Amino acid sequence: DAGITQSPRHKVTETGTPVTLRCHQTENHRYMYWYRQDPGHGLRLIHYSYGVKDTDKGEVSDGYSVSRSKTEDFLLTLESATSSQTSVYFCAIRQGSSGVNTEAFFGQGTRLTVV
Amino acid sequence: KNEVEQSPQNLTAQEGEFITINCSYSVGISALHWLQQHPGGGIVSLFMLSSGKKKHGRLIATINIQEKHSSLHITASHPRDSAVYICAVDAGNQFYFGTGTSLTVIP
Repeated sequence: DAGITQSPRHKVTETGTPVTLRCHQTENHRYMYWYRQDPGHGLRLIHYSYGVKDTDKGEVSDGYSVSRSKTEDFLLTLESATSSQTSVYFCAIRQGSSGVNTEAFFGQGTRLTVV
Repeated sequence: KNEVEQSPQNLTAQEGEFITINCSYSVGISALHWLQQHPGGGIVSLFMLSSGKKKHGRLIATINIQEKHSSLHITASHPRDSAVYICAVDAGNQFYFGTGTSLTVIP
């Protein structure tokens, strides 16, 4: 299995509080992604990173920020959590931007509930 | 607008049956992935393919780049195959995902 871990695995938080999710990899892969998974929507991209301090927005980035200060860690922050951010969050990693030999690996997911 | 469409959304089969899940996409891709997710679990990559066909045990994946279509087949299905199967396409710096096919295999 690829070395990718997410923490925490489960979290319940109150509306308006800040929350940070962590994705940690031991593969030294360049690309890291944060997705959210909701019924009927599949996985949707929140933010991604293509290197240390290099990040870009995805289709559902509002209300989220990210940081990548070192290759192995990609942090997702909800500055002020809302109930609409209740979801399962997945981190993914891959070596290159695209191509036939670019395998992708996914974390185990973080189930976040905002009450 | 859905770049990736999967069918069927839900599928129930008897143990031993041959199963097919379909995926169509509308964007240019360099590769297509089939993923598996068990209830409450993480996502595991089953296949990555850019042409032709791949086989792992009882699972077979095919892709037709010209028709922008891929299929995942499961031969001699088993209850442990019960999971959500997700099609994802590699379209540059990001992936696009189907909404998944929920498969239940009954003993």
